[in-house]
Amino acid sequence: GAVVSQHPSWVICKSGTSVKIECRSLDFQATTMFWYRQFPKQSLMLMATSNEGSKATYEQGVEKDKFLINHASLTLSTLTVTSAHPEDSSFYICSARDRARGGDTQYFGPGTRLTVL
Amino acid sequence: AQSVTQPDIHITVSEGASLELRCNYSYGATPYLFWYVQSPGQGLQLLLKYFSGDTLVQGIKGFEAEFKRSQSSFNLRKPSVHWSDAAEYFCAVAYVNTDKLIFGTGTRLQVFP
Repeated sequence: GAVVSQHPSWVICKSGTSVKIECRSLDFQATTMFWYRQFPKQSLMLMATSNEGSKATYEQGVEKDKFLINHASLTLSTLTVTSAHPEDSSFYICSARDRARGGDTQYFGPGTRLTVL
Repeated sequence: AQSVTQPDIHITVSEGASLELRCNYSYGATPYLFWYVQSPGQGLQLLLKYFSGDTLVQGIKGFEAEFKRSQSSFNLRKPSVHWSDAAEYFCAVAYVNTDKLIFGTGTRLQVFP
């Protein structure tokens, strides 16, 4: 149980294009989902917190207009990297919190590797 | 500021040897504590967590961790390491009534046969 999927697992795009990444909780309802960014050999940095049916809360320094987050249902959140540039290349990981299982445990997706040419 | 410290960036052990990965956190209150493992190019898998109660918690894959309030530590241990344990290990904390999960910088574990 507590499975989180991401799609796509990797994507290569040209500079200036937009890329959408999906995060799904497969066997539970996630009222809250989180988006992280991880640079090579570094830790995860929280980008934003996404609550179902409301606007995402972005961390300081994260551009809201560049990283669009939508959490339209209890099992799906999307991250759209708009007008992507090479510096946006990174490993993006989502997580979902399952309060029904108790506590504040976040379950992570497998990640999406974005490469912007 | 709230922070998580993993002092060891890289640890190398022989297969079958015991393992201890260190984790310290800074904050007055007791947070929720987690250990995650990440294999190359993959997401994070939860190994174990501590919310309250018994300070020695058992996790998956034979791992355990002990919460020591006096030392603000939550070290991860395994009595006998397997080659498949080679991965990156992250300690993380979450504070009550907040959404944020704060990660340490990670410890890369290498296992030699």
